[in-house]
Amino acid sequence: EPEVTQTPSHQVTQMGQEVILRCVPISNHLYFYWYRQILGQKVEFLVSFYNNEISEKSEIFDDQFSVERPDGSNFTLKIRSTKLEDSAMYFCASSDGRRITQPQHFGDGTRLSIL
Amino acid sequence: DQQVKQNSPSLSVQEGRISILNCDYTNSMFDYFLWYKKYPAEGPTFLISISSIKDKNEDGRFTVFLNKSAKHLSLHIVPSQPGDSAVYFCAAGAYGGSQGNLIFGKGTKLSVKP
Repeated sequence: EPEVTQTPSHQVTQMGQEVILRCVPISNHLYFYWYRQILGQKVEFLVSFYNNEISEKSEIFDDQFSVERPDGSNFTLKIRSTKLEDSAMYFCASSDGRRITQPQHFGDGTRLSIL
Repeated sequence: DQQVKQNSPSLSVQEGRISILNCDYTNSMFDYFLWYKKYPAEGPTFLISISSIKDKNEDGRFTVFLNKSAKHLSLHIVPSQPGDSAVYFCAAGAYGGSQGNLIFGKGTKLSVKP
């Protein structure tokens, strides 16, 4: 079964540094997403991406965040100047439709630890 | 603001018995609900969904019940198996809404003991 893959599985970064999290969505999916889950908290929506542009973003997704689809397969989340509170599990997901009735397929996540 | 609440952080059940995971929501605009299952070191996996036009949806050992007046839904797993041990997330949104409007609960960790 096709799956969403994320790299790296764990990223440790110094506060203030830039970090790029990578994802390869399912190949025939058109909608891509990033979520985060702070330890012990709920999964939170960050951003959705369709047709090479952001279609929705949450208030968490501020100017320090950006997303890109640099080629036909990768989908990246960049955090420009990391803060301690950015430490979380980051999940990439993809779906073949934008509606919640079309469930997303999630990757296994990248654990981001900011020191 | 917890629009989707899973008040039990954990639940332990004996193999073969029923597991009941509960979820409450506060937003009356929510009319579509999903359950996701998450194993350690893996991402959430879609399990089952229900829209508000139904009060029950069944898929094999998994049944979701919706009580709209109480703004409550539950996931029943019968019979429970050790492989069901995972964190279960409830999620809610509006039927015509987009993924960005989907709200997740904090999850309930289910342990099924052999």
